[in-house]
Order: sequence, then C-alpha cells, then structure tokens
Amino acid sequence: SAVISQKPSRDICQRGTSLTIQCQVDSQVTMMFWYRQQPGQSLTLIATANQGSEATYESGFVIDKFPISRPNLTFSTLTVSNMSPEDSSIYLCSVELTSGSVYEQFFGPGTRLTVL
Amino acid sequence: TQLLEQSPQFLSIQEGENLTVYCNSSSVFSSLQWYRQEPGEGPVLLVTVVTGGEVKKLKRLTFQFGDARKDSSLHITAAQPGDTGLYLCAGAQDYGQNFVFGPGTRLSVLP
Repeated sequence: SAVISQKPSRDICQRGTSLTIQCQVDSQVTMMFWYRQQPGQSLTLIATANQGSEATYESGFVIDKFPISRPNLTFSTLTVSNMSPEDSSIYLCSVELTSGSVYEQFFGPGTRLTVL
Repeated sequence: TQLLEQSPQFLSIQEGENLTVYCNSSSVFSSLQWYRQEPGEGPVLLVTVVTGGEVKKLKRLTFQFGDARKDSSLHITAAQPGDTGLYLCAGAQDYGQNFVFGPGTRLSVLP
C-alpha cells in the first residue's frame, strides 16, 4: 500500500478565487490520479497526473479549470480555478500500485472544498 | 452509461443482521476492488478479487467475484455500527488502464 497525504484537508473559498490542493505520497509512483466526489455521489475521475508531461483529462474536465502539476514521482497538485459553488466537492488524489499483474488504487484522505 | 451498477443504493439495517450488496456490469474486468468510505475520509481498499469464482474473506466480510468476471458481491455477517459507510466497487479494465467506479451502496447499521 501507500501512505498519501493531502493539504488542505478542507477549505471554504469565495466565488472567483482559486485553490491549489497538494498530494504527497510516501514512495515513488508512476500513476497518480485526481478525482472529484460530489455530495452523496461516487467518484469521478478528473485527470491522470503524468510526471514530466501534461496531465490527461477526462471528458468534461479542462486544463484551464483544473491545472495539474506533477514535478516528481511523489508529489502532485490540483488547482481549482475561478471557483463557483458548483465546484463544492471532495477532491481526492490516488495512486496506482501493481503487484504482479494486479493493479490497485489507494486514496488520500481528500480535500473538502466549499465555495460560497 | 454506467459501466458498473451497485445495488441496493441505500441500506439501513439493525446491528446483528446479515446483508449482501451487489456490483454488476456487462463488461469483463481483469480485477475488481471493494472500498469502504467513511464520512470525511478517503475510500479505503478492502479487497481485490482477480480470478473468476474467487471468494475472499476478511473477518465478517465475504467477497465473491463472478465466474465471468463481470459481477461481484459483498456479504457482511452480523453487521456492526462500525460497518456504516459508503461501499464502492471498482473494476480495472485492460489490466490497470481505466478504473471504473460504481455509484456506491450507502450502508447504515443502527445499534
């Protein structure tokens, strides 16, 4: 498994501002992901954070709104830009680890964002 | 289109009861994972099943992967309030490329 931390754990932000969420892993990992979880819902993949190249975004998510950095194999940031109340969600980072041919994802504790 | 479906969506039971939640798909997965998420926390991986027909036990929890690797079930025996949470199944396609999450089953175990 992996130990994953996120900062901040929660924040309350004003409309139109931006928030950067940090994700730190205790070991080097190739694959890191960012998810959004809206209240009472399941997880929606925002993007795959690629080390050394631009993130790969899922349909409905764009770089201008959710810029991602991945400077090394243990760290990534997700910025939620020009926030609106609709961006209020839990944001989760995860890493993928392999054991033989089995792939597993492990999650950070999440960042609870409220936009007023 | 939801690749993974879970049922029931909500379940409220009394402490000591048994329950089963289901995860179904029309797609084949190379592996399937079950997570439990408690309020204010990230999902925690409970188990990964890989082989069709596989059964894994984790204390009072029994996980089964369908023979065709398209569905799975989670059975909890003698549920306790500590089992309360959101149970998510996730399927891995293409041996790790593309994880798909189900919508979740929200379980409440009342004392």
